[in-house]
Amino acid sequence: DAKTTQPTSMDCAEGRAANLPCNHSTISGNEYVYWYRQIHSQGPQYIIHGLKNNETNEMASLIITEDRKSSTLILPHATLRDTAVYYCIVRVGRDTGNQFYFGTGTSLTVIP
Amino acid sequence: ETGVTQSPTHLIKTRGQQVTLRCSSQSGHNTVSWYQQALGQGPQFIFQYYREEENGRGNFPPRFSGLQFPNYSSELNVNALELDDSALYLCASSRTSGKETQYFGPGTRLLVL
Repeated sequence: DAKTTQPTSMDCAEGRAANLPCNHSTISGNEYVYWYRQIHSQGPQYIIHGLKNNETNEMASLIITEDRKSSTLILPHATLRDTAVYYCIVRVGRDTGNQFYFGTGTSLTVIP
Repeated sequence: ETGVTQSPTHLIKTRGQQVTLRCSSQSGHNTVSWYQQALGQGPQFIFQYYREEENGRGNFPPRFSGLQFPNYSSELNVNALELDDSALYLCASSRTSGKETQYFGPGTRLLVL
């Protein structure tokens, strides 16, 4: 089930902030937004997640709009190693575990 | 490193054969999810196991089956392999208390000839 939409690709200059948007207009009140990235068909790497408040960790910031229908992942100072496919995922929270529905992903290329 | 391991790393099978893929979850995690990722696509949810029981399934036929063991490791079995089963198979483990981030293993690359 496609619950998120993302641009297919984006470029970012090295050292600049990369802002990756995601639309999740059908999100419901108990669904979290997760971001993962995947480099060269390795296993997806967890970046950050949030429910309705903005979140920040050592890797990135997550900005969620007040209506929760969209969000933006911000990599504050992109490096060449940040070149990857970034997935915005809606988690369906349940009492026993959770299920991820991956979107199409955004291929981010960081340019020297 | 997530602490999630998968074996084998690569596998070649022929159409009609059966395959078993294995996943060891991160310490303290009791939930394992399996995903199929075809070339150029995002991962697609196959099913999830929680405390040895199937806990949700994606749009995959019954020839995709699984097991979870008391130590929470897991197997994915695929019978009657088809060419379209060629993909990267990913497993992810998580805890089920509070915010349950999934941590992915490196995957098993399956090629069906």
